[in-house]
Amino acid sequence: KQEVTQIPAALSVPEGENLVLNCSFTDSAIYNLQWFRQDPGKGLTSLLLIQSSQREQTSGRLNASLDKSSGRSTLYIAASQPGDSATYLCAVNIMAGNMLTFGGGTRLMVKP
Amino acid sequence: GAGVSQSPRYKVAKRGQDVALRCDPISGHVSLFWYQQALGQGPEFLTYFQNEAQLDKSGLPSDRFFAERPEGSVSTLKIQRTQQEDSAVYLCASSPDPGGYGYTFGSGTRLTVV
Repeated sequence: KQEVTQIPAALSVPEGENLVLNCSFTDSAIYNLQWFRQDPGKGLTSLLLIQSSQREQTSGRLNASLDKSSGRSTLYIAASQPGDSATYLCAVNIMAGNMLTFGGGTRLMVKP
Repeated sequence: GAGVSQSPRYKVAKRGQDVALRCDPISGHVSLFWYQQALGQGPEFLTYFQNEAQLDKSGLPSDRFFAERPEGSVSTLKIQRTQQEDSAVYLCASSPDPGGYGYTFGSGTRLTVV
C-alpha cells in the first residue's frame, strides 16, 4: 500500500527566506505527483503536477522536483512571503483516473 | 458554476443521526471524487465516479457510508448512524478528464458528531 510522508509537519520562517518542503513515498511506481496548497477552511489548490517521466516543474517562485527511484519530492519556495502561509500537501497518483494518496501536510507560517 | 460547490459548509449531528452531504461539480466534469480529511491530517480517498458510474468505493470506511451520482452531475455522500469518529471535513473534487487531471476541489463540509 502506498504511503506518503511529509517532513516537517510544521515550519515557521521569517519573510524572505528560501525554504524546502519534503515529501517521500514508499512505492516508486507512480503515474504523477502533485503539490497542493490548502488555506484554513478552504479546499485544495493545485500548485504543480510532475509526471513520472519528469524531473521538475516550476511556477513562479515555486519549484518542485521528483526523484522517483528514491521515492522523494521536494517543493522549493523562493523568497517566502506572509501570503505563502498555508498547509502544503503532496499527493501521488499510481495510474490515470486513480485516486490521490496524500501526505499529512506541512503547515507553513511565514512571519512578516 | 465557477467552482465545485459543497453544502452544507458545516453540519453538527448527534451520534446515531443520518446525514447527507452534497457536491455540485463543475458543469460537464466527468470525474468526481470524495475524500475525508481528519483534523491535522491529509485527505483520504473515499470513492470515485466517472459520470454516473461508481468505479471505486474501496475507501468507504464502513457500510454506513454510501455515495451516489444518479445523473452524472450532483453527488451525495450519505452517512448513516453517525459516530464520533466520522467527524472530519469531507472534500469533493471534480475533473473534466477521465484520467483525473485538472482536479478542482470544493471547500468541503465540516461534520462534527456530538
